[in-house]
Amino acid sequence: AQKVTQAQTEISVVEKEDVTLDCVYETRDTTYYLFWYKQPPSGELVFLIRRNSFDEQNEISGRYSWNFQKSTSSFNFTITASQVVDSAVYFCALSERGNAGNMLTFGGGTRLMVKP
Amino acid sequence: DAGVTQSPTHLIKTRGQQVTLRCSPKSGHDTVSWYQQALGQGPQFIFQYYEEEERQRGNFPDRFSGHQFPNYSSELNVNALLLGDSALYLCASSLRLQGSSYNSPLHFGNGTRLTVT
Repeated sequence: AQKVTQAQTEISVVEKEDVTLDCVYETRDTTYYLFWYKQPPSGELVFLIRRNSFDEQNEISGRYSWNFQKSTSSFNFTITASQVVDSAVYFCALSERGNAGNMLTFGGGTRLMVKP
Repeated sequence: DAGVTQSPTHLIKTRGQQVTLRCSPKSGHDTVSWYQQALGQGPQFIFQYYEEEERQRGNFPDRFSGHQFPNYSSELNVNALLLGDSALYLCASSLRLQGSSYNSPLHFGNGTRLTVT
């Protein structure tokens, strides 16, 4: 069975600090997809990134970067120079190939609070 | 370009009642998924509809049912409501990629907050 663990339930940082959100996953599939979503107070889940299990290249998008390591089954998310607008709940999610990337299993989320 | 829209935004029901939640997918999307998010937890997959049929289902009882219409919009119905059904219900849409069973990334709506008293 697939499982996603986000051990950090809440993180508080001061603006401009860098912060890393951890994500560890479990799956028996060799082909799978990993996601990060952001949930601001409005409730809508905002898609940030999708990676497939064959692409272990790290990715950077502006202040966001992702570190995918199959050896440790981790897909960590780093925000550089955090801003107050980054305050939200962040979810890591997994979809196995058998679900064709459709049925997502989410972690419990990490609430990030960025203080001015 | 309208995103995923859900109605109503909030709903209060009594135990044993039935409820219907509605979702219009993002323009150009043809697949709708429903998730339940209890307070302080991650969303849990309920089911997915494509071509007006339920294609996948999570670990939810038959009290949860759905429908997809020819215009791709969808409804989620919950019968015999329990207190534990209180949650944020999220609708997500995506596009089934041609020649594949894989979908584009999910786009979520703002959800319907259901409270069962």
